[in-house]
Order: sequence, then C-alpha cells, then structure tokens
Amino acid sequence: AQSVTQLGSHVSVSEGALVLLRCNYSSSVPPYLFWYVQYPNQGLQLLLKYTTGATLVKGINGFEAEFKKSETSFHLTKPSAHMSDAAEYFCAVSDHTGRRALTFGSGTRLQVQP
Amino acid sequence: DAGVTQSPTHLIKTRGQQVTLRCSPKSGHDTVSWYQQALGQGPQFIFQYYEEEERQRGNFPDRFSGHQFPNYSSELNVNALLLGDSALYLCASSSPQGTGDSPLHFGNGTRLTVT
Repeated sequence: AQSVTQLGSHVSVSEGALVLLRCNYSSSVPPYLFWYVQYPNQGLQLLLKYTTGATLVKGINGFEAEFKKSETSFHLTKPSAHMSDAAEYFCAVSDHTGRRALTFGSGTRLQVQP
Repeated sequence: DAGVTQSPTHLIKTRGQQVTLRCSPKSGHDTVSWYQQALGQGPQFIFQYYEEEERQRGNFPDRFSGHQFPNYSSELNVNALLLGDSALYLCASSSPQGTGDSPLHFGNGTRLTVT
C-alpha cells in the first residue's frame, strides 16, 4: 500500500520569498512521484514528476522537487513566489507496475502575500 | 487539441437518485480514470478503464459503476445517492504507454451536490 503525507494544510509566503511545500511518501516499491497544482474551480495540472534517474526534477513555472529516498521525501520548492502561484498543491505517488492509480496527499493551500 | 472534457460542470441531485457523469479523454489517450475529490481533500481513486473494461478499482462501493465506449470516452454512474457523495468528480486520461509514469491529464471536473 502507498500513502502520501503533506505537512501543512496551509502555507503563507510573501511575494518573492522561497516556497517550500513538504511531501513524504510511503511505498513498498520504488515510487513514481508527482506534484499537481489546482486553481479554483479547475482540474489538476501536472507541475513535475519523478520516475527514475536524476533526483532533482525541474517542472513548469519555476518549480522543482528533489527525491530523497533515505528521507522518503519529495518536497516542492520555488526560489521566488509570485502572486499567480496561489493555489492548492497536491503530491501524489504511484508504483510502476502498469497503468497504476495515483494516491494523493490531502493538499497544501499556498497563499502569497503582496 | 482539446484536453479532457467533462459534462456537466455542475449538477444538483436529491438523495436516493441516480446520476451519470461523462468524460471525453484527451486526443490520443486510451485510458480513463475517475477520482472523487471531497471539499478540502485530495482526489481519491474510484476506478480506471481501458480497452472498455474496468482494470482497477479503489475503495468505493458498488453504487459507483462505469463504462468506457469504443471511442475511449467514459461514463461514471452513481446509484442511490447519499449526501456524502457530494464532491468534485474528476476524470483523467493517459496515453497508451502502459507504465505508471504516464502522466494523467485532468478535466475540470463535475461538481455534484446531493441534497
């Protein structure tokens, strides 16, 4: 069984400040890891994914995440927050045996203060 | 290139009724998955269809059923609606790569309210 824990249901940062959204996972097999963003009244948009290879993954809109197997973490970062980054962020995990379903965390709402 | 489209966008039903939600996958995608997102929660996997068959199922009762058509579009049916079924229902499609890293493309969802 797989699970995802997102620490902090709400995170507030100032515009221009570092964004750090935390994600820890549990998986009995090597995981595939994803970050999705959801804007109000919309579906989910893929920010980035880790499958194999380089553990530092770069995504869209300046976001990146680092897979740390020893810490079972996949934290999302962005050096400088922009007002348009305000949204709900979801970390998700799947295994790599076929067309597997995603297991999502409960989400982190990011607020960006001017 | 149209992405994943879902209809209707909003729906209000009464407890005990039945509802059908529809989804057209992104062009070139053959796999459709359905997720339920309750208010303030992350999406939860309901089931997945490809080759017109249910291939995986999450922890949802038999009141939730689905179908996939030859053109890869899909329906989600929910019978005997409960108040707790009120949620955003998301459809996601993926390409026929057959591996877990094939990213899901999500529609904007159908907001179901059960009164």
